[in-house]
Amino acid sequence: GAVVSQHPSWVICKSGTSVKIECRSLDFQATTMFWYRQFPKQSLMLMATSNEGSKATYEQGVEKDKFLINHASLTLSTLTVTSAHPEDSSFYICSAWSGEQFFGPGTRLTVL
Amino acid sequence: DAKTTQPTSMDCAEGRAANLPCNHSTISGNEYVYWYRQIHSQGPQYIIHGLKNNETNEMASLIITEDRKSSTLILPHATLRDTAVYYCIVTDNFGNEKLTFGTGTRLTIIP
Repeated sequence: GAVVSQHPSWVICKSGTSVKIECRSLDFQATTMFWYRQFPKQSLMLMATSNEGSKATYEQGVEKDKFLINHASLTLSTLTVTSAHPEDSSFYICSAWSGEQFFGPGTRLTVL
Repeated sequence: DAKTTQPTSMDCAEGRAANLPCNHSTISGNEYVYWYRQIHSQGPQYIIHGLKNNETNEMASLIITEDRKSSTLILPHATLRDTAVYYCIVTDNFGNEKLTFGTGTRLTIIP
């Protein structure tokens, strides 16, 4: 089956710094990737839809200048959390579409 | 996408069949029923999907009522590793469709 990886699997950073999370489709190409966020004991919430070669589409309430998404190739999308604050601490999950959505293992971000 | 309703939690004895219900009374004709599960601190895992016919794969069976307003996911012989949150999602299968996750059912398999 299709495999999606994320890197890093977990990261701890200081408040005010930026963190980049990578999402890769390992054995298929994906024109569309999705970024979700999940707070403890809550469901996944879609943040944005990332299309290769074009600007991402953000869901209502998600700050596009804070959560920068780049989908420069058919196998890689990146999410950069700029000027991270403790309230950005969450589990970030990406998925890649290839006939259906295949999810990555998630990245746990902790902002101190 | 149509809204889904699932019980918040369920328990099932190990080795027994786990039957997880989902209501989707506003489903439209071109919408599929998808099931995913999420084991703690992992990404969601695809289980099965269907349109109107019952479906079976190596993981589970999906039973969809004739009026398509509800469905049941069946794990035939539950193991401890099946403990997870199970999400029922209704979406059309056209294009690169985003998925809207509800609260899901937290299934606990009891030894």
